[in-house]
Amino acid sequence: EVQLVESGGGFVQPGGSLRVSCEASGFTFNTYEMNWVRQAPGKGLEWIAYISAGGSTMYYADSVRGRFTISRDNARKSLHLQMNSLRVDDTAVYYCAREGGEGTTNFYDYWGQGRLVTVSS
Amino acid sequence: EIVLTQSPVSLTLSPGERATLSCRASQIVGTSLAWYQQKPGQAPRLLIYDVSHRATGVPARFSGSGSGADFTLAISSLEPEDFAVYYCQQRSLWPGSFGGGTTVEIK
Repeated sequence: EVQLVESGGGFVQPGGSLRVSCEASGFTFNTYEMNWVRQAPGKGLEWIAYISAGGSTMYYADSVRGRFTISRDNARKSLHLQMNSLRVDDTAVYYCAREGGEGTTNFYDYWGQGRLVTVSS
Repeated sequence: EIVLTQSPVSLTLSPGERATLSCRASQIVGTSLAWYQQKPGQAPRLLIYDVSHRATGVPARFSGSGSGADFTLAISSLEPEDFAVYYCQQRSLWPGSFGGGTTVEIK
């Protein structure tokens, strides 16, 4: 069974740092591209970061570029999002999402359960 | 950037009724269009990809259609578990974008 289990996140003051992680199981992690998607309270979905299967290519949304870093450890089947210089408007639930599995082209076929990140003074 | 506009914003229906949700793109996206379902406190779930292909385990009452820039998600007969928020997503133009969502509420 494919599972993505997230950990980390929490509460931080503006300007602080947090890390969210995503542990994968039930599939060959190192053959899948992965993403982070966030959702502010009561709002819609926003893609924020992508990493290639091998970990050599990363892309970011303009809203987080230069502050967030996506990474992966294929040996440990884990995905990470390091968030620095956090702002109040980064407050959201953060989801990891697998891309393109089970023939779904390049859509997100499995998602983690989400972790809440709250940035407030 | 491709903007996806979903309509209506909310839809109030009774179990057993048919639901029809719309997603309109600001430019042509071809077949690179998906639909997700999200229930309160849960992660989104992929329902439909490439316009009309149901994801694994998705009931046949869910169907997707459309072409170019106009797409529809239909739920033929609403079950109690179908009341949720539905998002469309395009991946035609990197990195993709999501619509604002349609809430399907119980009457």
